[in-house]
Amino acid sequence: GAVVSQHPSWVICKSGTSVKIECRSLDFQATTMFWYRQFPKQSLMLMATSNEGSKATYEQGVEKDKFLINHASLTLSTLTVTSAHPEDSSFYICSARGTGAVNSPLHFGNGTRLTVT
Amino acid sequence: GENVEQHPSTLSVQEGDSAVIKCTYSDSASNYFPWYKQELGKRPQLIIDIRSNVGEKKDQRIAVTLNKTAKHFSLHITETQPEDSAVYFCAATPGRGGADGLTFGKGTHLIIQP
Repeated sequence: GAVVSQHPSWVICKSGTSVKIECRSLDFQATTMFWYRQFPKQSLMLMATSNEGSKATYEQGVEKDKFLINHASLTLSTLTVTSAHPEDSSFYICSARGTGAVNSPLHFGNGTRLTVT
Repeated sequence: GENVEQHPSTLSVQEGDSAVIKCTYSDSASNYFPWYKQELGKRPQLIIDIRSNVGEKKDQRIAVTLNKTAKHFSLHITETQPEDSAVYFCAATPGRGGADGLTFGKGTHLIIQP
């Protein structure tokens, strides 16, 4: 089945630094990838929709200058948390849907646990 | 935008009994409703999904029902087993051209008592 690889699986960084998270679709092409954030014991909240070759669409309340998204190819999207602060500590999960597949299931990456000290 | 409500937040059942989790959605344009199971620290795993042109779908011990008129859908797990213990999320999306992300419910922590 479709596999989405996310890296790193966990990262600890100091306040003020930036962290990049990669999301790759391994055996299919994904024109659209989605980035979610999940705080402990809470649901997954959609942060942004990443479109290959164009600007990402951010959900209300998500700072686009803080969470930089790049979707340079059909198999790779990156999320960069800039100037990270302790409140950015969370579980970040990407997901992807194959090309030409309306309402096909979303495939999730393994997630990245970010801890900002 | 879409708003998905999920109940209950915690559900404890005896092993072998059935469990039912209910969700409602607000956007009448939503037409795809997946259910995910998430174990602690892991990614959500799709367990079953239903599209708006179907009223019920079953896969072994798991079934999902959809009432479009009332805008609610439910997950039914029969003959529950200890490995069913996890957090379950319902979700909905209008899925316009596949470009819409999912809106998730807040989750239900299912506890199977031995």
